[in-house]
Amino acid sequence: NAGVTQTPKFRVLKTGQSMTLLCAQDMNHEYMYWYRQDPGMGLRLIHYSVGEGTTAKGEVPDGYNVSRLKKQNFLLGLESAAPSQTSVYFCASRTTGGIYNEQFFGPGTRLTVL
Amino acid sequence: TQLLEQSPQFLSIQEGENLTVYCNSSSVFSSLQWYRQEPGEGPVLLVTVVTGGEVKKLKRLTFQFGDARKDSSLHITAAQPGDTGLYLCAGARGGATNKLIFGTGTLLAVQP
Repeated sequence: NAGVTQTPKFRVLKTGQSMTLLCAQDMNHEYMYWYRQDPGMGLRLIHYSVGEGTTAKGEVPDGYNVSRLKKQNFLLGLESAAPSQTSVYFCASRTTGGIYNEQFFGPGTRLTVL
Repeated sequence: TQLLEQSPQFLSIQEGENLTVYCNSSSVFSSLQWYRQEPGEGPVLLVTVVTGGEVKKLKRLTFQFGDARKDSSLHITAAQPGDTGLYLCAGARGGATNKLIFGTGTLLAVQP
């Protein structure tokens, strides 16, 4: 099993450009998450999904859109990139139920917006 | 709004020393997790604590959940270079989605 994979690993955008980050998991997990990580701020939740066809806003959703058309994939889109969106983006997934709520993370995508 | 504050933010120690990392909040959590993240990788779960006052040990690492379930600590005994990394605490609020609130992170460097 590959676990959680993310593509691309690195990307440089110019202000105003758009792009889509792809997250894929092969663990049949219901829940999937997109986070951004900035120095000294830990991980902040952007959007999440509790199942195929569902999405919900997290803590910092502005400027991002998501889609979960297939259970194994969770896409994060930036329609018009801004320098403030320079960050490392992590996708995570977990199974439903239980209080031992382990999230499995991908390796991250480092995005720079010039 | 950052609900979980970790201290210290950065720690550089010599191999063999002991250290404690703190994770504090004014909010109550249904459970609390500790993750470790190495450069270029995603966080990996170390432990979950769910009961106030609970203590869990993972080899040289000891995790404690505060009695009121608002804070936690991670103690490492005889640190080794392999312990180097970013340590993140994360609190769960419970409910159907049980989203995690991550702490600000503690970057640990253990020098050989």
